[in-house]
Amino acid sequence: DSGVTQTPKHLITATGQRVTLRCSPRSGDLSVYWYQQSLDQGLQFLIHYYNGEERAKGNILERFSAQQFPDLHSELNLSSLELGDSALYFCASSVGEPRTYGYTFGSGTRLTVV
Amino acid sequence: LAKTTQPISMDSYEGQEVNITCSHNNIATNDYITWYQQFPSQGPRFIIQGYKTKVTNEVASLFIPADRKSSTLSLPRVSLSDTAVYYCLVGDMSYSGGSNYKLTFGKGTLLTVNP
Repeated sequence: DSGVTQTPKHLITATGQRVTLRCSPRSGDLSVYWYQQSLDQGLQFLIHYYNGEERAKGNILERFSAQQFPDLHSELNLSSLELGDSALYFCASSVGEPRTYGYTFGSGTRLTVV
Repeated sequence: LAKTTQPISMDSYEGQEVNITCSHNNIATNDYITWYQQFPSQGPRFIIQGYKTKVTNEVASLFIPADRKSSTLSLPRVSLSDTAVYYCLVGDMSYSGGSNYKLTFGKGTLLTVNP
């Protein structure tokens, strides 16, 4: 157990729907990062939050949004889902600068859009 | 962010030492080199990180030559459970650097350990 908790583990939904993925970082970690991993792509950075503030955006679609709450958990909202959004979505956390210990990843949410 | 090149796949046998090399010719002065391991359907796991020379921890060693244009992850005496994808990342790991926010893992090296 890495200490980063992601729920749900699996999600199957239809095209056009909206889903919310949840991430609880390791205790004490202020940063949360979201990544998407599909079969034909590597791990793609989506967005980073630090202590409630958005710090950086990667290749995140406009249909996707995220937020980090005061208790530091984060949610990734995916709307108007398309078949191509099917992927593993990972959340990672770090206490601050990931220089020494890197990022700690959760076990991911597998999203299947049908 | 410095581009990295690693072999797509490698094969080994139980008990052997495995060395995976990563090329990063345009590494910047403030960049660190980090390796992650990923098993199927699991999140990547941090293995080791270094800036120069040699770093060793309980699971691996990281060798970085003086010019820092490449690095080698060394796994001693691999077992079947070391079969995984290994990613090499290069970037400024401090918040002041900025680029670390957008770490992209690429395709990595699939290491297969055979009995």
